[in-house]
This record gives sequence, structure tokens and C-alpha cells, in this order.
Amino acid sequence: KAGVTQTPRYLIKTRGQQVTLSCSPISGHRSVSWYQQTPGQGLQFLFEYFSETQRNKGNFPGRFSGRQFSNSRSEMNVSTLELGDSALYLCASRRQGTSGVSTDTQYFGPGTRLTVL
Amino acid sequence: AQKITQTQPGMFVQEKEAVTLDCTYDTSDPSYGLFWYKQPSSGEMIFLIYQGSYDQQNATEGRYSLNFQKARKSANLVISASQLGDSAMYFCAMTPPPGGSEKLVFGKGTKLTVNP
Repeated sequence: KAGVTQTPRYLIKTRGQQVTLSCSPISGHRSVSWYQQTPGQGLQFLFEYFSETQRNKGNFPGRFSGRQFSNSRSEMNVSTLELGDSALYLCASRRQGTSGVSTDTQYFGPGTRLTVL
Repeated sequence: AQKITQTQPGMFVQEKEAVTLDCTYDTSDPSYGLFWYKQPSSGEMIFLIYQGSYDQQNATEGRYSLNFQKARKSANLVISASQLGDSAMYFCAMTPPPGGSEKLVFGKGTKLTVNP
């Protein structure tokens, strides 16, 4: 079974530009979450999507947005890039997404390393 | 709010020896999940082991075991017979009760170095 895939693996952008990152979850997984990892702030939750709906959002500015498609693939977009947006962006997928079930493990992709110059 | 604390920024262990990585957590919810992930220098977060708050027995997965002490709110990872490939960052994480978004709250991690 293929794991979570993320594209591209590396990106270099300049301040003010925008970027779109893509994530394909494990087949059958309906929930996709995004995390930002920086040396200073560690791992921080960005948002979670389930059935094309954003279910939760972390404490990030509106420049960070995302969406999920009917095949569960997800994209996140960062507009007006700032130097502080340089980070490893990790996507994770989870099988379940409905209430009343036990916690399911989130499986991560290899990440997209974004550098903003 | 949930919080994970990993007090060991770095740990060193000799190959073939066992090592314990510490993790304490704080939550007011009776139902939660605890996870350990490994992150090699390549960046991918690799799931290692899971412990549910209501699980009666400590979780084990091959060379990994989780020493779960609920009253002390600790969930330490024990790696037996360390291998050179175990050198990586290790993160402890938790999720809130089921019923909605299950975002992971991570600790700051512990860098494990296995020496030959």
C-alpha cells in the first residue's frame, strides 16, 4: 500500500510570492492534516480536512489556506510569502474521520521543504 | 489545553543497549491517545507506537515499548537493543478525545544518537 505522498519535495520562493503544496493520502484515508515544522516553533498544526470540509484550523494567519478534493487529495496554499514561512510542511492522513470512533494513527508524508528568500 | 513535555534535548546510547526517552503530558480529558514518532534527517515522521488512555497494558511494537504511567502522566518510549539506524529525532504526541478533529500536539523532541 502506497504511503502519503507530497509534492514537491523542495521549493525555493521569494518573499511576496505564493506557493501551493500537494498531498495525496493513503488510499482509503479520508482525513488529511497539515503541520508546519520550524526549528524555533517545532511542529504546529495548520488545519485538518475531512470530506472536503475544513474541520479545524490552527493559529495561523489567513495567508495559509487549504482545500480537499473529492478523492481526498489535499492542497495547501500560502500567499504573500514571508521569510518566516520557511519550514518543513508535513501532511498526514488518517483513516477515520467521524465521531465516536477510537483514535486512528496519523501517517505522515515525507514533507515539502520550503525556503523563502 | 493539552501539552507534551520532552525534557531531554539529546540522548546518547551505545549500540545494542536499551534507552528510555521521556515524555510527560498534561490534559484534563479522560480520553486521549499518545503517540511516538521517529523523524530521521530525511524529514519524514515515522509512526512507532500508540497508547490509548484506557488501554490496560503498555503498548509494544517490536523493539519499541511504551512505559505508560497514567497517574504520573508519563508515556516514556523504551527502545531495546539500539541500532545505528535508530539515530533520529523522536517526538511524543497526543490527541484529544475522539469526536472531531484529532490534531496532534507534539513535544519539542529528543535527538537520539546511537554510537557504535
